[in-house]
Amino acid sequence: KAGVTQTPRYLIKTRGQQVTLSCSPISGHRSVSWYQQTPGQGLQFLFEYFSETQRNKGNFPGRFSGRQFSNSRSEMNVSTLELGDSALYLCASSLGTQTGGWGTQYFGPGTRLLVL
Amino acid sequence: QKEVEQNSGPLSVPEGAIASLNCTYSDRGSQSFFWYRQYSGKSPELIMSIYSNGDKEDGRFTAQLNKASQYVSLLIRDSQPSDSATYLCAVGKNDMRFGAGTRLTVKP
Repeated sequence: KAGVTQTPRYLIKTRGQQVTLSCSPISGHRSVSWYQQTPGQGLQFLFEYFSETQRNKGNFPGRFSGRQFSNSRSEMNVSTLELGDSALYLCASSLGTQTGGWGTQYFGPGTRLLVL
Repeated sequence: QKEVEQNSGPLSVPEGAIASLNCTYSDRGSQSFFWYRQYSGKSPELIMSIYSNGDKEDGRFTAQLNKASQYVSLLIRDSQPSDSATYLCAVGKNDMRFGAGTRLTVKP
């Protein structure tokens, strides 16, 4: 079974621009979560989507948004980029359940974003 | 106080020894607990998940959870150089909170 894939793998943007990152979960997985990883803050939860609905959200500004499609693929968008948004953005998928709760998550390779 | 705290490390153990990694969390309502391993330049991969009090063993790894003390630990028996990595403790409730990680080095 193919793992979680993320595109693009690397991205360079300038301040003020916006960016869209894509994540394709493992086949059959309905839950997709997004994380930001930086050396200073570590791994931080952005949001989780299940069946096209945002189910949980971390403590990030509204510039960070996402969506999930009917095939469970997910996109994350960051608008008005700031220098501090430079990070590794990781997507993780899991089977997910209607009742929620956290099961085994499988991480993708990440998208490394550099904001200049 | 950080919501998920891990022993700061770095931790260095000789090959064949037991490595002990500790984690405390502040939200008493947390329901799911995970240990991830992350090699340098790679994504986290799940080592263990634990949901109820007590011990859970999987090969050389044992996770221990004590919800009353808000404490979760990971023991690695017969440590191998290939275990050298950063270990992340994660705690789930409505969101998922990660500790800063403990860097483990296993010396041959």
